Amino acid sequence: EVQLVESGGGLVQPGGSLRLSCAASGFTFSSYAMTWVRQAPGKGLEWVSSISGGGDIIYYADSVKGRFTISRDNSKNTLYLQVNSLRTEDTAIYYCAKGQCTGGVCPLFDYWGQGTLVTVSS
Amino acid sequence: EIVMTQSPATLSVSPGERATLSCRASQSVSSNLAWYHQKPGQAPRLLIYGASTRATGIPARFSGSGSGTEFTLTISSLQPEDFAVYYCQHYKSWPLTFGGGTKVEIK
Repeated sequence: EVQLVESGGGLVQPGGSLRLSCAASGFTFSSYAMTWVRQAPGKGLEWVSSISGGGDIIYYADSVKGRFTISRDNSKNTLYLQVNSLRTEDTAIYYCAKGQCTGGVCPLFDYWGQGTLVTVSS
Repeated sequence: EIVMTQSPATLSVSPGERATLSCRASQSVSSNLAWYHQKPGQAPRLLIYGASTRATGIPARFSGSGSGTEFTLTISSLQPEDFAVYYCQHYKSWPLTFGGGTKVEIK
């Protein structure tokens, strides 16, 4: 059974940093691209960043480019999102999601975690 | 960036009735269009990809159609578990973008 469990969220002041993690199990982690999608309270979905199975291809939304860094440790079956220079508009539930297809950076997501809440407030 | 626009924002439907949701892209995305639904307090779930292909385990009452810039998700006979928010997402190019969502509520 595929499982994705996010952690690392919390309350942080503007300008602060967090490291989000997503522990994966139930599939061959290194074979699949992974993605972070966020959802502000009561709002819709926003794609944040994606990384290929090998970690060599990475994409970011313009809204986070230069502030967020996606990475993965295939030996630990774990996806990360380092979030720096946080702004109030970054407040959201951050979901990790598994690519549906193998190869490259699959832009479809067949399994999602339950999310971790990041709140940016002074 | 391709902008995805969904309509209506809210759709009130009685159980057993048909629901039709629309999604429009600001430029052609060919058939690179997916639909997800999200129930309260839950993560989204992939329903349709390639504009019309049902994802694994998705019932046949869900169907998708369209190409280019105009897409439709049809739920032929709404079941209680189908009341949720529905999102379309293009994957023609990066950045990926989602529509703003259509909430399907019980009439």
